[in-house]
Amino acid sequence: DAGVTQSPTHLIKTRGQQVTLRCSPKSGHDTVSWYQQALGQGPQFIFQYYEEEERQRGNFPDRFSGHQFPNYSSELNVNALLLGDSALYLCASSKQTGAETQYFGPGTRLLVL
Amino acid sequence: GENVEQHPSTLSVQEGDSAVIKCTYSDSASNYFPWYKQELGKRPQLIIDIRSNVGEKKDQRIAVTLNKTAKHFSLHITETQPEDSAVYFCAASSLNEKLTFGTGTRLTIIP
Repeated sequence: DAGVTQSPTHLIKTRGQQVTLRCSPKSGHDTVSWYQQALGQGPQFIFQYYEEEERQRGNFPDRFSGHQFPNYSSELNVNALLLGDSALYLCASSKQTGAETQYFGPGTRLLVL
Repeated sequence: GENVEQHPSTLSVQEGDSAVIKCTYSDSASNYFPWYKQELGKRPQLIIDIRSNVGEKKDQRIAVTLNKTAKHFSLHITETQPEDSAVYFCAASSLNEKLTFGTGTRLTIIP
């Protein structure tokens, strides 16, 4: 039973570029949440996807967008990258009905130069 | 929105002693409180969680207590071991909603 997977593991971009991060949820899970974790801080909620729709959004600008596919996998897109977007991006999956437990993937470490 | 405060930010204990980390939350609608352990460069891993209809939960050396009236919950680790060294995060959420995390506690176990 595969856990949550994310790709790529590391990424280096320059300011102004665009990036796409990918997440595959744990088997049996249908909900994907994305978090940004800056160095030395706790994860900050970006948004959550369920049934291919954005259900809830945190305090992030429209440069951050996402998508969920019919197989429940998800993408996080960030446009017009800023230096401050450098962080660990974590994907967490859960089941919409029943337990609220969110399981995290290994993350994608993004460095913006 | 929800706000979670976590204390202390750093904690050093002798191996074999107990460690306690405390969190407070602001939103009375929150009903789910997980604790995550994050080792350097790795993903947050769920170590224990508690729901608002339960006051205490224990799993071997780890326990969590919840006081809904005071809006605070605590993580207790007994008989600490070197492998317990990590950053610990508390979090709070409502049913299937976003997790709001505390700022983390860096726990160091001194051999």
